[in-house]
Amino acid sequence: EVQLLESGGDLVQPGGSLRLSCAASGFTFSNYAMSWVRQAPGKGLEWVSSISGSGGSTYYTDSVKGRFTISRDNSKNTVYLQMNSLRAEDTAVYYCAKDISSNSFFPYYGMDVWGQGTTVSVSS
Amino acid sequence: QSALTQPRSVSGSPGQSVTISCTGTSSDVGGYNYVSWYQHHPGKAPKVMIYEVSKRPSGVPDRFSGSKSGNTASLTISGLQAEDEADYYCCSYAGSYTVVFGGGTKLTVL
Repeated sequence: EVQLLESGGDLVQPGGSLRLSCAASGFTFSNYAMSWVRQAPGKGLEWVSSISGSGGSTYYTDSVKGRFTISRDNSKNTVYLQMNSLRAEDTAVYYCAKDISSNSFFPYYGMDVWGQGTTVSVSS
Repeated sequence: QSALTQPRSVSGSPGQSVTISCTGTSSDVGGYNYVSWYQHHPGKAPKVMIYEVSKRPSGVPDRFSGSKSGNTASLTISGLQAEDEADYYCCSYAGSYTVVFGGGTKLTVL
């Protein structure tokens, strides 16, 4: 069964750091781009970042550039999101998602497997 | 990277059809055939219902269909069922290796 399991969410003070992890199973992990998508309380889904299957290419939404870093360890079938200089507006449930296509380095076509999410709260 | 525009809510009775619109610009929805739709029950993982405008992943009922005209994409659900009640989000490639979601539409099955 194809599965994604996020972890690492926590309550953190503004300006603090957190690293999220997403463990994948049931598919050839290195063949797929992976993404992080978040949902703030009462708001819609927002794309945060994506990484190619090899890890050689990374992409970010403007509001997190310079603060967040996406990475992956294909030997551990895990993708990470390092979040620094956290702000109150980063408070959200963070979902990990798999690219629907094995032939692209960016999730142009869509994301077909999602985790249950991990909650990040930024507050003093 | 402005969010795509969706109606906040739609509703329909069991057995009826509903259509959810998703309006963007020529830089996202209108510029690429890379629109996907997601069903999200609160507290659960989102589920892809449509990708590449009109393709259905295996396991998704053919009651769900997608289309696009100009800068507006649409998701149509026919033969509404109680379990279809959820939030629905459209999503589009927006160029320069970015993705944009719609604001979401709450579907109520009356």
